[in-house]
Amino acid sequence: DTGVSQNPRHKITKRGQNVTFRCDPISEHNRLYWYRQTLGQGPEFLTYFQNEAQLEKSRLLSDRFSAERPKGSFSTLEIQRTEQGDSAMYLCASSGNRQLNTEAFFGQGTRLTVV
Amino acid sequence: AQSVTQLDSQVPVFEEAPVELRCNYSSSVSVYLFWYVQYPNQGLQLLLKYLSGSTLVKGINGFEAEFNKSQTSFHLRKPSVHISDTAEYFCAAPLGNTPLVFGKGTRLSVIA
Repeated sequence: DTGVSQNPRHKITKRGQNVTFRCDPISEHNRLYWYRQTLGQGPEFLTYFQNEAQLEKSRLLSDRFSAERPKGSFSTLEIQRTEQGDSAMYLCASSGNRQLNTEAFFGQGTRLTVV
Repeated sequence: AQSVTQLDSQVPVFEEAPVELRCNYSSSVSVYLFWYVQYPNQGLQLLLKYLSGSTLVKGINGFEAEFNKSQTSFHLRKPSVHISDTAEYFCAAPLGNTPLVFGKGTRLSVIA
Protein backbone atom coordinates (compact mmCIF):
# COMPACT_ATOMS: atom_id res chain seq x y z
CA ASP A 1 0.00 0.00 0.00
CA THR A 2 1.57 3.28 -1.07
CA GLY A 3 -1.00 5.64 0.42
CA VAL A 4 -0.44 8.18 3.19
CA SER A 5 0.28 6.43 6.46
CA GLN A 6 -0.28 7.88 9.92
CA ASN A 7 0.79 6.50 13.27
CA PRO A 8 -0.55 5.89 15.77
CA ARG A 9 -4.20 5.59 14.75
CA HIS A 10 -5.36 6.32 18.27
CA LYS A 11 -3.72 8.03 21.21
CA ILE A 12 -5.07 8.58 24.70
CA THR A 13 -3.02 10.81 26.93
CA LYS A 14 -3.32 12.64 30.20
CA ARG A 15 -3.60 16.39 30.24
CA GLY A 16 -0.18 17.99 30.41
CA GLN A 17 1.66 15.20 28.64
CA ASN A 18 3.46 15.58 25.31
CA VAL A 19 2.45 13.57 22.26
CA THR A 20 4.01 13.06 18.85
CA PHE A 21 2.35 11.84 15.68
CA ARG A 22 4.02 10.62 12.53
CA CYS A 23 2.97 10.91 8.90
CA ASP A 24 4.55 9.10 5.97
CA PRO A 25 3.39 10.67 2.70
CA ILE A 26 3.18 9.03 -0.70
CA SER A 27 6.82 8.57 -1.60
CA GLU A 28 7.12 10.90 -4.58
CA HIS A 29 5.01 13.69 -3.08
CA ASN A 30 6.85 16.83 -2.07
CA ARG A 31 3.96 18.63 -0.35
CA LEU A 32 2.71 17.52 3.05
CA TYR A 33 -0.18 18.99 5.03
CA TRP A 34 -1.50 18.72 8.57
CA TYR A 35 -5.15 19.30 9.40
CA ARG A 36 -7.20 18.99 12.58
CA GLN A 37 -10.81 17.83 12.61
CA THR A 38 -13.18 18.00 15.55
CA LEU A 39 -16.56 16.31 15.75
CA GLY A 40 -19.09 17.78 13.38
CA GLN A 41 -16.61 20.10 11.71
CA GLY A 42 -14.61 20.11 8.52
CA PRO A 43 -10.84 19.71 8.60
CA GLU A 44 -9.02 22.86 9.73
CA PHE A 45 -5.67 23.66 8.19
CA LEU A 46 -2.68 23.64 10.56
CA THR A 47 0.46 23.76 8.45
CA TYR A 48 2.15 22.50 5.32
CA PHE A 49 5.59 21.69 3.96
CA GLN A 50 7.16 21.91 0.55
CA ASN A 51 9.91 19.32 0.85
CA GLU A 52 11.55 20.14 4.21
CA ALA A 53 10.49 23.79 4.27
CA GLN A 54 7.49 24.74 6.39
CA LEU A 55 5.74 27.30 4.19
CA GLU A 56 2.57 28.20 6.02
CA LYS A 57 1.24 27.93 9.56
CA SER A 58 -2.29 28.62 10.70
CA ARG A 59 -3.08 30.83 13.67
CA LEU A 60 -4.61 27.65 15.11
CA LEU A 61 -1.09 26.31 15.54
CA SER A 62 -0.26 27.58 19.02
CA ASP A 63 3.23 27.61 20.51
CA ARG A 64 2.55 24.19 21.99
CA PHE A 65 2.37 22.69 18.50
CA SER A 66 5.42 22.05 16.37
CA ALA A 67 5.78 20.20 13.10
CA GLU A 68 8.89 19.01 11.34
CA ARG A 69 9.83 17.34 8.11
CA PRO A 70 13.58 17.05 8.48
CA LYS A 71 14.51 15.23 5.29
CA GLY A 72 11.55 16.11 3.17
CA SER A 73 10.04 12.68 3.62
CA PHE A 74 8.06 11.79 6.77
CA SER A 75 6.75 14.46 9.12
CA THR A 76 6.06 14.65 12.83
CA LEU A 77 3.55 16.77 14.71
CA GLU A 78 4.25 17.30 18.40
CA ILE A 79 1.85 18.76 20.93
CA GLN A 80 3.39 19.81 24.23
CA ARG A 81 1.46 20.11 27.49
CA THR A 82 -1.70 18.73 25.97
CA GLU A 83 -5.06 20.23 26.91
CA GLN A 84 -8.51 18.72 26.66
CA GLY A 85 -9.27 21.08 23.79
CA ASP A 86 -6.57 19.35 21.77
CA SER A 87 -8.75 16.25 21.51
CA ALA A 88 -9.43 15.83 17.80
CA MET A 89 -8.60 13.82 14.71
CA TYR A 90 -5.28 14.90 13.22
CA LEU A 91 -5.13 14.36 9.48
CA CYS A 92 -2.10 14.31 7.24
CA ALA A 93 -2.21 14.67 3.46
CA SER A 94 0.28 14.87 0.64
CA SER A 95 0.29 16.06 -2.95
CA GLY A 96 2.64 15.76 -5.84
CA ASN A 97 3.43 19.27 -6.94
CA ARG A 98 3.09 22.95 -6.24
CA GLN A 99 -0.07 23.63 -8.20
CA LEU A 100 -3.20 24.67 -6.33
CA ASN A 101 -5.29 22.36 -8.44
CA THR A 102 -3.47 19.23 -7.36
CA GLU A 103 -5.40 16.60 -5.47
CA ALA A 104 -4.37 16.01 -1.87
CA PHE A 105 -4.34 12.40 -0.66
CA PHE A 106 -5.29 11.93 2.97
CA GLY A 107 -4.23 9.40 5.57
CA GLN A 108 -6.69 7.78 7.95
CA GLY A 109 -5.79 10.15 10.74
CA THR A 110 -4.65 9.94 14.34
CA ARG A 111 -7.43 10.32 16.89
CA LEU A 112 -6.18 12.06 20.03
CA THR A 113 -8.10 11.94 23.27
CA VAL A 114 -6.83 14.03 26.16
CA VAL A 115 -8.24 12.97 29.52
CA ALA B 1 -17.78 35.32 5.67
CA GLN B 2 -16.80 31.70 5.37
CA SER B 3 -14.77 30.90 2.28
CA VAL B 4 -16.60 27.67 1.53
CA THR B 5 -20.14 27.27 2.84
CA GLN B 6 -22.10 24.05 2.96
CA LEU B 7 -25.67 25.01 3.52
CA ASP B 8 -26.95 21.74 4.95
CA SER B 9 -25.38 20.01 7.91
CA GLN B 10 -27.50 16.88 7.50
CA VAL B 11 -29.38 15.45 4.54
CA PRO B 12 -31.53 12.34 4.98
CA VAL B 13 -32.69 10.67 1.78
CA PHE B 14 -34.33 7.39 0.86
CA GLU B 15 -32.39 4.77 -1.06
CA GLU B 16 -32.60 5.17 -4.85
CA ALA B 17 -33.80 8.78 -4.52
CA PRO B 18 -31.79 11.66 -6.01
CA VAL B 19 -29.73 13.92 -3.80
CA GLU B 20 -28.09 17.34 -4.03
CA LEU B 21 -25.55 18.59 -1.50
CA ARG B 22 -25.03 22.32 -1.69
CA CYS B 23 -21.76 24.26 -1.64
CA ASN B 24 -21.16 27.95 -2.15
CA TYR B 25 -17.77 29.62 -2.32
CA SER B 26 -16.65 33.18 -1.74
CA SER B 27 -14.74 35.31 -4.21
CA SER B 28 -11.68 35.07 -1.95
CA VAL B 29 -10.94 31.48 -2.88
CA SER B 30 -9.12 30.27 -5.95
CA VAL B 31 -11.63 28.71 -8.29
CA TYR B 32 -10.35 25.20 -8.02
CA LEU B 33 -13.12 23.32 -6.28
CA PHE B 34 -13.12 19.89 -4.72
CA TRP B 35 -15.57 17.49 -3.13
CA TYR B 36 -14.24 14.94 -0.67
CA VAL B 37 -16.06 12.08 1.06
CA GLN B 38 -15.29 10.70 4.51
CA TYR B 39 -16.66 7.34 5.55
CA PRO B 40 -16.86 6.55 9.29
CA ASN B 41 -13.43 6.31 10.91
CA GLN B 42 -11.70 6.88 7.59
CA GLY B 43 -9.64 9.62 5.99
CA LEU B 44 -10.91 11.84 3.20
CA GLN B 45 -11.21 10.56 -0.35
CA LEU B 46 -11.52 12.75 -3.43
CA LEU B 47 -14.87 12.45 -5.22
CA LEU B 48 -14.29 14.99 -7.96
CA LYS B 49 -12.69 18.33 -8.76
CA TYR B 50 -13.29 21.33 -10.98
CA LEU B 51 -10.21 22.98 -12.39
CA SER B 52 -11.39 24.60 -15.64
CA GLY B 53 -13.29 23.78 -18.81
CA SER B 54 -16.62 21.99 -18.71
CA THR B 55 -18.76 23.15 -15.81
CA LEU B 56 -20.21 19.67 -15.29
CA VAL B 57 -17.73 17.43 -13.58
CA LYS B 58 -18.17 13.70 -13.14
CA GLY B 59 -16.57 11.85 -10.27
CA ILE B 60 -16.42 8.45 -8.70
CA ASN B 61 -19.37 6.41 -7.41
CA GLY B 62 -21.82 8.09 -9.81
CA PHE B 63 -21.48 11.57 -8.33
CA GLU B 64 -21.30 14.74 -10.39
CA ALA B 65 -21.08 18.45 -9.63
CA GLU B 66 -21.80 21.61 -11.57
CA PHE B 67 -19.70 24.73 -11.32
CA ASN B 68 -21.88 27.84 -11.51
CA LYS B 69 -19.85 31.04 -11.58
CA SER B 70 -22.80 33.43 -11.47
CA GLN B 71 -24.20 31.76 -8.35
CA THR B 72 -20.73 30.97 -6.91
CA SER B 73 -21.89 27.42 -6.34
CA PHE B 74 -20.52 23.93 -6.79
CA HIS B 75 -23.36 21.60 -5.81
CA LEU B 76 -22.86 17.85 -5.68
CA ARG B 77 -25.52 15.54 -7.12
CA LYS B 78 -26.31 11.89 -7.55
CA PRO B 79 -29.41 10.68 -9.41
CA SER B 80 -29.93 7.56 -7.27
CA VAL B 81 -28.24 7.01 -3.91
CA HIS B 82 -27.27 3.74 -2.30
CA ILE B 83 -26.98 2.79 1.36
CA SER B 84 -23.20 2.76 0.92
CA ASP B 85 -23.25 6.49 0.10
CA THR B 86 -23.94 7.24 3.77
CA ALA B 87 -20.96 9.41 4.77
CA GLU B 88 -19.78 12.96 5.42
CA TYR B 89 -19.19 15.10 2.36
CA PHE B 90 -16.89 18.11 2.28
CA CYS B 91 -16.52 20.89 -0.25
CA ALA B 92 -13.08 22.53 -0.41
CA ALA B 93 -11.04 25.14 -2.28
CA PRO B 94 -7.62 26.82 -1.97
CA LEU B 95 -7.55 30.17 -0.16
CA GLY B 96 -4.50 32.38 -0.43
CA ASN B 97 -1.53 30.42 0.89
CA THR B 98 -3.76 27.75 2.42
CA PRO B 99 -3.81 24.74 0.13
CA LEU B 100 -7.34 23.64 0.96
CA VAL B 101 -10.05 25.24 3.06
CA PHE B 102 -12.97 22.95 3.86
CA GLY B 103 -16.62 23.58 4.50
CA LYS B 104 -18.17 22.25 7.69
CA GLY B 105 -19.47 19.17 5.92
CA THR B 106 -22.82 17.63 5.11
CA ARG B 107 -23.78 14.31 6.63
CA LEU B 108 -25.67 12.25 4.07
CA SER B 109 -27.83 9.53 5.60
CA VAL B 110 -29.38 7.08 3.15
CA ILE B 111 -32.48 5.37 4.51
CA ALA B 112 -33.50 1.92 3.36
